[in-house]
Amino acid sequence: SQQGEEDPQALSIQEGENATMNCSYKTSINNLQWYRQNSGRGLVHLILIRSNEREKHSGRLRVTLDTSKKSSSLLITASRAADTASYFCATALLGGSTLGRLYFGRGTQLTVWP
Amino acid sequence: ETGVTQSPTHLIKTRGQQVTLRCSSQSGHNTVSWYQQALGQGPQFIFQYYREEENGRGNFPPRFSGLQFPNYSSELNVNALELDDSALYLCASSRGQGGDGNTIYFGEGSWLTVV
Repeated sequence: SQQGEEDPQALSIQEGENATMNCSYKTSINNLQWYRQNSGRGLVHLILIRSNEREKHSGRLRVTLDTSKKSSSLLITASRAADTASYFCATALLGGSTLGRLYFGRGTQLTVWP
Repeated sequence: ETGVTQSPTHLIKTRGQQVTLRCSSQSGHNTVSWYQQALGQGPQFIFQYYREEENGRGNFPPRFSGLQFPNYSSELNVNALELDDSALYLCASSRGQGGDGNTIYFGEGSWLTVV
């Protein structure tokens, strides 16, 4: 089963609105990374948040992490049509044989209408 | 622009054939990982190479194999192709092993279609 799961699976909003995507995971992590993927393209790194951090910002992006609930959220403020893409959270687990491996969910498909 | 380049971008192979995909990692990165992303799914970890040694493998059969070269570029080889191997293959590079807090950067991927 997937280590991380994004919610909702699909999100449709108007330009200028905020978009919030959530990610839940199952086992303790070293860090969590959010990626964006335009249709058929590679993954673009957005933000990395470490397990001892609670919130990070990058431009219009805000990521939170709650390790007690094993969840993270990605907020995109003042969305634009160009933000239309799939968004994935990826978890990196604590050490051992899984070090360096990212576990992905199925992603949230965000559509921003002009 | 992530600095991770992959080739070819698209290819079509026949079931039973073999394929080699290539990846150049970002400058200064000594770790390369490969992921398979089927349509509508998230990427799945295939394996990772760190300083030319395989350093972790996901749930993929031995017909998936790889190499990392002294310049840290990498190849993914898939033998005896099956229809289910049709997917986007993503290469990722990082400094160190990534899971320790280093950002992992992905290339644009290679689309493989098996017919």
